[in-house]
Amino acid sequence: DVKVTQSSRYLVKRTGEKVFLECVQDMDHENMFWYRQDPGLGLRLIYFSYDVKMKEKGDIPEGYSVSREKKERFSLILESASTNQTSMYLCASTTSGEGTDTQYFGPGTRLTVL
Amino acid sequence: GEDVEQSLFLSVREGDSSVINCTYTDSSSTYLYWYKQEPGAGLQLLTYIFSNMDMKQDQRLTVLLNKKDKHLSLRIADTQTGDSAIYFCAESGPSGGYQKVTFGTGTKLQVIP
Repeated sequence: DVKVTQSSRYLVKRTGEKVFLECVQDMDHENMFWYRQDPGLGLRLIYFSYDVKMKEKGDIPEGYSVSREKKERFSLILESASTNQTSMYLCASTTSGEGTDTQYFGPGTRLTVL
Repeated sequence: GEDVEQSLFLSVREGDSSVINCTYTDSSSTYLYWYKQEPGAGLQLLTYIFSNMDMKQDQRLTVLLNKKDKHLSLRIADTQTGDSAIYFCAESGPSGGYQKVTFGTGTKLQVIP
């Protein structure tokens, strides 16, 4: 079974703090993704990575950065958290190549920025 | 860019059939997916259909694809309270890069006992 884990289920931070969200997958997947989920907006892609040290912007990268130093780990960084970044953050991974792109999701981190 | 749309809510009685609908804009979509998200959890793949198929059935789930109208539906037969969740339609294909998946807004299914 593919397992994707996220470092925290719930996180409360203050405006201006630097926030790290960690994601680890154990299936040697090349591709990893960070989404945020907001009611009525569905999932929106923040950043994704095709390989170690590779990153590409998704649809809403502003205010976020990412780090992929090891294949299994993909970190999302909020350099200076703001209240509009209060959301559910979901990490996912998938393997490369043509064929289904089934995404395997972690349980999510619910971040509240006060 | 690609767009995937769904209605936000659906309420059905236990034992009835549920039909969740989805429309998408990318005519080159290759795979279309249905994911389920239970409360407090991440998304889990329920089923998928390749774009050259019209229908796929898997136990209580039936997926119908109308490629001409870019319309996808998920039918759940004999809906149970455990089916209460948010259901996401999604697509992937060459225009977005095969590894990149575009998700809809999600349909919250409420099953009334």
